[in-house]
Amino acid sequence: SSELTQDPAVSVALGQTVRITCQGDSLRSSYASWYQQKPGQAPVLVIYAKNNRPSGIPDRFSGSSSGNTASLTITGAQAVDEADYYCNSRDSSANHVLFGGGTKLTVL
Amino acid sequence: QITLKESGPTLVKPTQTLTLTCSFSGFSLTTTGVGVGWIRQPPGKALEWLALLYWDDDTRYRPSLKNRLTITKDTSKDQVVLTMTNMDPVDTARYYCAHNHGTHFDFWGQGTLVTVSS
Repeated sequence: SSELTQDPAVSVALGQTVRITCQGDSLRSSYASWYQQKPGQAPVLVIYAKNNRPSGIPDRFSGSSSGNTASLTITGAQAVDEADYYCNSRDSSANHVLFGGGTKLTVL
Repeated sequence: QITLKESGPTLVKPTQTLTLTCSFSGFSLTTTGVGVGWIRQPPGKALEWLALLYWDDDTRYRPSLKNRLTITKDTSKDQVVLTMTNMDPVDTARYYCAHNHGTHFDFWGQGTLVTVSS
């Protein structure tokens, strides 16, 4: 399959935990990465290779994967986490790059 | 410190060819495992991967756009160039280049907005 599916929108109360999911057959054989994008800004990598955080990314961000589903979890969501989140992986042949449709996270 | 910056025309006419340049610093495209990719984002829409060029000159293209895209590099100038032929208004988007390391894009340029209109 050549698609990654995300819920269009998710909301979370300030300080609570939220999970954003990404589904696709490619995730059975390829790690997911996650990007945060705020309005008017370029995407920022927050999780790569399933559950690795680049330098400077808070440890409240974590990643996991099971079967055809990858998840980004924010533990103790902050107002600054309100953004669009995109998942990314390679397709099953590892020849092409896939992006999910994005999830708009609202922090209430 | 890795940085990337996109440059090119802000306005192109339908049927014209778009040429975008990604100028980068802080890494070499001759280093094993390194790549540079192009990703676009139409206004209000999702990210869409276009092309990827690896250190060994291997290239990958979005299947649906493969016939219109060409990605090349100029190692001496630390630049990667993307050309897209036969531009259409639906190609209006912000175009980003990004450093690729294995499975992910870890550094991105700020993007350049390209509008396709007559």
